[in-house]
Amino acid sequence: AQKITQTQPGMFVQEKEAVTLDCTYDTSDPSYGLFWYKQPSSGEMIFLIYQGSYDQQNATEGRYSLNFQKARKSANLVISASQLGDSAMYFCAMREANKFYFGSGTKLNVKP
Amino acid sequence: KAGVTQTPRYLIKTRGQQVTLSCSPISGHRSVSWYQQTPGQGLQFLFEYFSETQRNKGNFPGRFSGRQFSNSRSEMNVSTLELGDSALYLCASSRTSSGRATYNEQFFGPGTRLTVL
Repeated sequence: AQKITQTQPGMFVQEKEAVTLDCTYDTSDPSYGLFWYKQPSSGEMIFLIYQGSYDQQNATEGRYSLNFQKARKSANLVISASQLGDSAMYFCAMREANKFYFGSGTKLNVKP
Repeated sequence: KAGVTQTPRYLIKTRGQQVTLSCSPISGHRSVSWYQQTPGQGLQFLFEYFSETQRNKGNFPGRFSGRQFSNSRSEMNVSTLELGDSALYLCASSRTSSGRATYNEQFFGPGTRLTVL
């Protein structure tokens, strides 16, 4: 089974609107970390937000928030007030034990 | 604090050659991981080094190897290059290589884009 699943290969959002990027994960380890990264066309992976498996509250970082639903094993990224510069690939990742697992990514296009 | 640096940024090689890529982690980071990114396969984990020891290895053939030096800098070597090795190779560093879900986020370098002709 896939460790990380991102079911949306591509998404469009209107500038200034909010968008949710889906991510589900699979693990039996009670201790894990969930991450979201942004990869612009330049190629560099940029860390956005982190959620630990024991964290009680959803993580937030500026316009980014993580909708963590542990029972459903989902960790959706919410971007509020989308900007043109948000157009990029977005990867969900999980750290379990000593390994990182990445999803296949979602390409977000922000329309003016 | 300087970020993760990778050299070279771009590389063109021919089939059968070998290549060495270099990664310098963020100061104080002892864990370095390598990933291969291709349009078809996405991001695939190659291996992770921590304190000069390989801690984890992905499902890649033995042509892919790496090492880490005492200053945490890491090199990745690919021998007998194949066309399918053309990819973006990303290096990431983190503070620890802990089995616990501590805040050990990976910081990525800009990558080395390898083209095999």
